[in-house]
Amino acid sequence: KAGVTQTPRYLIKTRGQQVTLSCSPISGHRSVSWYQQTPGQGLQFLFEYFSETQRNKGNFPGRFSGRQFSNSRSEMNVSTLELGDSALYLCASSLGQKTEKLFFGSGTQLSVL
Amino acid sequence: GDSVTQMEGPVTLSEEACLTINCTYTATGYPSLFWYVQYPGEGLQLLLKATKADDKGSNKGFEATYRKETTSFHLEKGSVQVSDSAVYFCALSDQGGKLIFGQGTELSVKP
Repeated sequence: KAGVTQTPRYLIKTRGQQVTLSCSPISGHRSVSWYQQTPGQGLQFLFEYFSETQRNKGNFPGRFSGRQFSNSRSEMNVSTLELGDSALYLCASSLGQKTEKLFFGSGTQLSVL
Repeated sequence: GDSVTQMEGPVTLSEEACLTINCTYTATGYPSLFWYVQYPGEGLQLLLKATKADDKGSNKGFEATYRKETTSFHLEKGSVQVSDSAVYFCALSDQGGKLIFGQGTELSVKP
């Protein structure tokens, strides 16, 4: 069974640009969560989707948005990039609405110059 | 709000040494508790979990016991290997069902 797949693996953008990251969950998993990982802040929860509906949202500005498609694949978008958005963005999937056992992808490393 | 505090790293040990990584939490109610591990260049993997007080989670020689009275979930291993070198994250599931992680503790095991 394939794991959680995130694309692209690395991304370099400049300030003010926007970016879209993609996540394909494990087959059969209907819940997708996104986390931002930085050396200073650790893992910060961004949002969670279940059956195309946002179920939970973290404390990030509106520049950070996401969505989930009917096949459970998810995208997150960051608009008007800032230097501080440089981070590893991790996607995790789980079978149902209880997100206790998460399966993580390897992440997308975003660098904002 | 709910939070998790881990001991700071990096922790450097020799092979076969004993490991303890401290983790304490603040939470409303009785959350489930987890340890996740992140190997270099990879995403996080669930290492072990405990869902109620006094439960002991264990996997690959690692153990952690859910202590309600001290709000702790310390990770222990009796004899570490070089292959255990990784970053370890303690986490809890809040009442909304999302995971809240600690800062992570980097472990380096030398031969």
